[in-house]
Amino acid sequence: AQTVTQSQPEMSVQEAETVTLSCTYDTSESDYYLFWYKQPPSRQMILVIRQEAYKQQNATENRFSVNFQKAAKSFSLKISDSQLGDAAMYFCAYYGTNAGKSTFGDGTTLTVKP
Amino acid sequence: EAQVTQNPRYLITVTGKKLTVTCSQNMNHEYMSWYRQDPGLGLRQIYYSMNVEVTDKGDVPEGYKVSRKEKRNFPLILESPSPNQTSLYFCASNPGQGSTYEQYFGPGTRLTVT
Repeated sequence: AQTVTQSQPEMSVQEAETVTLSCTYDTSESDYYLFWYKQPPSRQMILVIRQEAYKQQNATENRFSVNFQKAAKSFSLKISDSQLGDAAMYFCAYYGTNAGKSTFGDGTTLTVKP
Repeated sequence: EAQVTQNPRYLITVTGKKLTVTCSQNMNHEYMSWYRQDPGLGLRQIYYSMNVEVTDKGDVPEGYKVSRKEKRNFPLILESPSPNQTSLYFCASNPGQGSTYEQYFGPGTRLTVT
């Protein structure tokens, strides 16, 4: 069974600074996708970024980037130039492509201080 | 507009009274899933479906039933709800094989069982 661990229940960052959220996972599968989702107070789940396991290049979406270390099974999210609107719960998620199963971490609550 | 809809959005019910939460997507997606979200526990997958008439158990299937008679609909059935099923429920869909498996989430259904 796959597991996803987010070791930081809460993080805070000063506006305009950079913050990194950690995620580790465990799997025996070779083909999978990893995601970061954002959940603001509205509770809507919003995709932040995705990474295909077969790609060595780290994914980047504007101010959001990942550090994907496949051998170490690590998938951290870096948010640059943090904005007040980045304040939310962030979930790391694993999706195995051989089946429809997905596994989420317990989440990291990010606070952005003005 | 491409979307996943859930109904009802809020529901308060009593122990043992059967209920159904509907989920519908208009994107012709192959895969659909149900999750529950509890404080501190992230999202846990209840059931998933990779095609019409094909459903599989997720990590927490006890006390739930699902059906997939049509591609667009994936209702969640609680035949005899109990207080420990009080939670926030999300339905999600993704295109399936050959896609990037990005999940599109519904707005959530907050269920309270008294």
